[in-house]
Amino acid sequence: DQQVKQNSPSLSVQEGRISILNCDYTNSMFDYFLWYKKYPAEGPTFLISISSIKDKNEDGRFTVFLNKSAKHLSLHIVPSQPGDSAVYFCAALGGADGLTFGKGTHLIIQP
Amino acid sequence: DTAVSQTPKYLVTQMGNDKSIKCEQNLGHDTMYWYKQDSKKFLKIMFSYNNKELIINETVPNRFSPKSPDKAHLNLHINSLELGDSAVYFCASSPWGLSGANVLTFGAGSRLTVL
Repeated sequence: DQQVKQNSPSLSVQEGRISILNCDYTNSMFDYFLWYKKYPAEGPTFLISISSIKDKNEDGRFTVFLNKSAKHLSLHIVPSQPGDSAVYFCAALGGADGLTFGKGTHLIIQP
Repeated sequence: DTAVSQTPKYLVTQMGNDKSIKCEQNLGHDTMYWYKQDSKKFLKIMFSYNNKELIINETVPNRFSPKSPDKAHLNLHINSLELGDSAVYFCASSPWGLSGANVLTFGAGSRLTVL
């Protein structure tokens, strides 16, 4: 039972363009959402988060949008840079199990 | 200085063996976790300890036994290893009261391969 879904296993974007990573969730109890970034052979690192009382949070090139009615959030990266190539995990907080993670989306930034 | 360090990074072993993965954090966090990332890439929580006390124990076979000698350490011992235990195991820590502000800090992962 996937409570957090990232339906795109991979995404390829040209350098300088906008990268949009999507995430859907099913549990209405989730009240905080986070994005983690993971390079090969490293652990995930926190990138940006958003509370369910907001619909947008921006931090430099990274913006997370939350649509509660659609149970959907997205991470926008603009402009995309080569160093952004990584796996991005969407995670949600509010259940009994701490953070619930999606399967991740592998973002590839092409020169 | 590595904030969350886990050893070994790679572990290859035979079915039926017993193995341990160690984790230490120097962040002063009260809560530590073990996550498993299987072949389908899901990151799933296995255990959570707060100040040496077990607070989350997911449906994990009892062949897996976490041990927290102090709040800076959470080790994972696995008995009678099976092929399906092959995965990457991530240790993590957070301040107590996990919230959006108190995020998880992960270790680099330990890749376990059972032959």
